[in-house]
Amino acid sequence: GNSVTQMEGPVTLSEEAFLTINCTYTATGYPSLFWYVQYPGEGLQLLLKATKADDKGSNKGFEATYRKETTSFHLEKGSVQVSDSAVYFCALNDYKLSFGAGTTVTVRA
Amino acid sequence: EPEVTQTPSHQVTQMGQEVILRCVPISNHLYFYWYRQILGQKVEFLVSFYNNEISEKSEIFDDQFSVERPDGSNFTLKIRSTKLEDSAMYFCASSREIAGEDEQFFGPGTRLTVL
Repeated sequence: GNSVTQMEGPVTLSEEAFLTINCTYTATGYPSLFWYVQYPGEGLQLLLKATKADDKGSNKGFEATYRKETTSFHLEKGSVQVSDSAVYFCALNDYKLSFGAGTTVTVRA
Repeated sequence: EPEVTQTPSHQVTQMGQEVILRCVPISNHLYFYWYRQILGQKVEFLVSFYNNEISEKSEIFDDQFSVERPDGSNFTLKIRSTKLEDSAMYFCASSREIAGEDEQFFGPGTRLTVL
C-alpha cells in the first residue's frame, strides 16, 4: 500500500538557519503530495502541495519539489524564524491522506 | 475564513462507555473524513464519507465505530464501547472534491482519554 517515510525529529535550529526535512514515499501511480503543519494547540494546516512530478510547491518561504525518480518530497526553508516552530507532516493523497510520522521543529532565537 | 470546528476539545470517558465526537465541516464541502493520532504515532485515516454514506474505511474502523451526518451541518463519529487503546486525538476534515489533489481542511481535534 501507499506509505510515507519522514525524517525523525526533533530538530532544533537557531533563527536564520537552513531547514530541511526529508520525506520519501511509496505509492502506486502518482499521488499528490502535501506538507501539513501543526502549530501548538492547533489543527493541521496545509503548508504546500504538488500534484505531479517536477512540480514545486511553495508557501511562507518553504519549498518542496515532487521528485518521481527519487520518490521524494523534501521540505526546505532557507532562513527559519521562531514562528516556524511546529510539527511538520509529509502526506500523500490517494483520496485519503497517508501521513508521515511528523517532525517536531524548534527554532531558538 | 471558513474553518472546520470540533467539539468537545477534550473528552474523558470510562472504558466501555459510548462517546460521540462532533464536527462541523466547511459549509460548501461535500467530502468528510475522520483521522486519529495516538500519542507519539502517525496520523491515521479512519473513514471518508460522501452523500450520506461511507466511501472508504480503514482496518481501524471496525464495528465499534460509526459516522453520521444527522443534519445539514454536523458530522459525528461514534465509538460504541470505548477501549483504552481508543485514547487519541481525533481530527475531522472536509474537502470540496474527492480528487486526489484537493486540499483537506482539518479541525483542531478532540483529545479523547479513555480511563
